[in-house]
Amino acid sequence: EAQVTQNPRYLITVTGKKLTVTCSQNMNHEYMSWYRQDPGLGLRQIYYSMNVEVTDKGDVPEGYKVSRKEKRNFPLILESPSPNQTSLYFCASSTGGREQFFGPGTRLTVL
Amino acid sequence: GNSVTQMEGPVTLSEEAFLTINCTYTATGYPSLFWYVQYPGEGLQLLLKATKADDKGSNKGFEATYRKETTSFHLEKGSVQVSDSAVYFCALSEVKDSNYQLIWGAGTKLIIKP
Repeated sequence: EAQVTQNPRYLITVTGKKLTVTCSQNMNHEYMSWYRQDPGLGLRQIYYSMNVEVTDKGDVPEGYKVSRKEKRNFPLILESPSPNQTSLYFCASSTGGREQFFGPGTRLTVL
Repeated sequence: GNSVTQMEGPVTLSEEAFLTINCTYTATGYPSLFWYVQYPGEGLQLLLKATKADDKGSNKGFEATYRKETTSFHLEKGSVQVSDSAVYFCALSEVKDSNYQLIWGAGTKLIIKP
């Protein structure tokens, strides 16, 4: 089954404790992206990747890092999480066309 | 920059009612337009799309027409069901420096009562 998976689905952590949210797709897509969803704001892009070893900032990259060492994986790293990073996070992938496929989301709470 | 504006929710309807959720956009160029749906506790699913002016996207009884003259992409359904209760997002695609970014509306929560 073609899909985008994310782990964990739910995470509660404390300020400053490094964490990684994994994202994996099995569709051989070149393009991957991370969004955060906040009430009343829709989704905002954090980072994106056009292909292996090619990443760039989206609209709200501060406090986040990403890597793309393999085509299928695109982890999101929060080196020192803060409460304003409490949000619902979505990973998405695409062939490079305009339709993006989304993972189930990761709900992160930073205390 | 490009933007998407959706009607605020929640929208509450009775089963079998007619649905319209308004979406307007501002864009330079000719973006593709999308409606995504998010059911409770789930991720985002593409509901329908339109890639050029006057195109009509349709799926599961939902329709939306890409109106360039009014910069709109309103979502409609003739007879809603309780199972349509979800949050609906309008989005446009913007290609900038090879980034296929989606620009999102804030979302409209739809509640269908039996």
